[in-house]
Amino acid sequence: DSGVTQTPKHLITATGQRVTLRCSPRSGDLSVYWYQQSLDQGLQFLIQYYNGEERAKGNILERFSAQQFPDLHSELNLSSLELGDSALYFCASSVEQLNTEAFFGQGTRLTVV
Amino acid sequence: QKEVEQDPGPLSVPEGAIVSLNCTYSNSAFQYFMWYRQYSRKGPELLMYTYSSGNKEDGRFTAQVDKSSKYISLFIRDSQPSDSATYLCAMTYNFNKFYFGSGTKLNVKP
Repeated sequence: DSGVTQTPKHLITATGQRVTLRCSPRSGDLSVYWYQQSLDQGLQFLIQYYNGEERAKGNILERFSAQQFPDLHSELNLSSLELGDSALYFCASSVEQLNTEAFFGQGTRLTVV
Repeated sequence: QKEVEQDPGPLSVPEGAIVSLNCTYSNSAFQYFMWYRQYSRKGPELLMYTYSSGNKEDGRFTAQVDKSSKYISLFIRDSQPSDSATYLCAMTYNFNKFYFGSGTKLNVKP
């Protein structure tokens, strides 16, 4: 168990809908990363937050947004969902902003039908 | 062209074999290189990381980086069935963004 908690574990929703994925980082970790893992694209970095502030952006679509709250948990919001958004979404956390050792949660499997 | 290329496999070896997993990359600015192991239905877990060129050993695992060739390797000695997983290479130049390979699926047969 990495100590990173993601909810829900599975989510099935229809195209056009909006969902929110939640991540609780390990105790003491200030940095949160979001990744998308699909069969054809592999693991893609989406966005990083450090202590409530956005620090880096990767291949995150405009339909997606994230935030990190004062208690350090983070949410990833996905809207106007398309079939191609079906994927595993992982959250990872690390102590520092610049830290190679990020611990991953077990992921949320999103299925868009 | 993808920043990081990795053969997806699957790679099937008998127990006890030496396994070689590899990635190539295109961005010479990458300085830190990592290997993750991902079991089915689980999140990736960090195995090893190395800085710049050279070798690093940890038990049965050896990570090797050749920056001149833009090529990194992970060797697993005395492979065990419990090593069966997908292995992902990753790299970064600023620790903010991490670039992952697509993963190589390894199956170690008893």
